[in-house]
Amino acid sequence: DAGITQSPRYKITETGRQVTLMCHQTWSHSYMFWYRQDLGHGLRLIYYSAAADITDKGEVPDGYVVSRSKTENFPLTLESATRSQTSVYFCASKDRYEQYFGPGTRLTVT
Amino acid sequence: AQSVTQPDIHITVSEGASLELRCNYSYGATPYLFWYVQSPGQGLQLLLKYFSGDTLVQGIKGFEAEFKRSQSSFNLRKPSVHWSDAAEYFCAVGDGQAGTALIFGKGTTLSVSS
Repeated sequence: DAGITQSPRYKITETGRQVTLMCHQTWSHSYMFWYRQDLGHGLRLIYYSAAADITDKGEVPDGYVVSRSKTENFPLTLESATRSQTSVYFCASKDRYEQYFGPGTRLTVT
Repeated sequence: AQSVTQPDIHITVSEGASLELRCNYSYGATPYLFWYVQSPGQGLQLLLKYFSGDTLVQGIKGFEAEFKRSQSSFNLRKPSVHWSDAAEYFCAVGDGQAGTALIFGKGTTLSVSS
């Protein structure tokens, strides 16, 4: 199916564990983004990528790592999860004007 | 600083009544403006967008928005709200460049009463 998908949709993990959230898009958009959504904060940009092997920090990058070896994939890794990283994570890709969002991953860190 | 302000955190509207959600932006470049809707537990769906031209834009689900440059506003309206419109609404601004992430407001939660 065309579009943007995220996996897993739900994840519970323990403090200190490494977690990777996957994002895949089928449009071959160059630009991709990771946001986190928290009550009272709206959507905040974590990292973005301009193309394969080109990534840059957003507003709240601490504690996160990204990679982009292929245009269609943009995984987000929490190297050592903390409770403050409990959130809903959205991946997006962008053509010139619009951003298209995935369905989100709800992550709980216990 | 570039920002989007949605002054109303939560609004309750009676079913069948009209709705206006406010959005103000501060942006250095020519703004490209968006409204997204998020139903509980769901992702973000684009309602409408403004790039240029007619300042009154029509979107899906009967929504419209008006761009007022002098007021730096892009308010969302609907003449008659349905119970299914209960959701969270986000206003966002960009500059039309592919590499620029959208800047989002913090959202307005709409409740619909019967």
